[in-house]
Amino acid sequence: EAQVTQNPRYLITVTGKKLTVTCSQNMNHEYMSWYRQDPGLGLRQIYYSMNVEVTDKGDVPEGYKVSRKEKRNFPLILESPSPNQTSLYFCASSLWVFHNEQFFGPGTRLTVL
Amino acid sequence: GQQVMQIPQYQHVQEGEDFTTYCNSSTTLSNIQWYKQRPGGHPVFLIQLVKSGEVKKQKRLTFQFGEAKKNSSLHITATQTTDVGTYFCAHPRGNLIFGKGTKLSVKP
Repeated sequence: EAQVTQNPRYLITVTGKKLTVTCSQNMNHEYMSWYRQDPGLGLRQIYYSMNVEVTDKGDVPEGYKVSRKEKRNFPLILESPSPNQTSLYFCASSLWVFHNEQFFGPGTRLTVL
Repeated sequence: GQQVMQIPQYQHVQEGEDFTTYCNSSTTLSNIQWYKQRPGGHPVFLIQLVKSGEVKKQKRLTFQFGEAKKNSSLHITATQTTDVGTYFCAHPRGNLIFGKGTKLSVKP
């Protein structure tokens, strides 16, 4: 089944404790991205990647890191999480960003205390 | 950055009433996509519009792209409780920019 998977689905952590949210897709998609969703603010893009080893900042990249060493994986790293990073995170992929639908993962709800 | 403004932010309708959400841009868009997010779920792609003046239908949903490619709309005829959710428009700009969405609630 074609899908985007994220882990963990739920995470409660404390300020400053490094964490990684994994994202994997099995559709051989070139483009992958991370979004955060907050009430009243909609979906805001954190980082995106147009191919292996190619990543770019989205609209809200501060406090996040990403890597794209393999085509299928695009982990999101929070080196030192802070409470303002409490949010719902979505990973998405598409064949290509233009003229292609985005397939979203199920989401990761992160709480930073 | 380039934004798309989506209105209204919320819409409450009685089941059977129609619903429309609008997406407006100050600049010309190459294309526009629409997504639906059910409560507790993730966004799911509905459609993409590319051509000026394009109109596409999916059962009770009608999507339009303006002649100037600066606005788009999603219209649902005779809403049902299954239509509940948030509808987003999005456009590509190197990355993909989403509107803030219209949250639709339907009263049975």
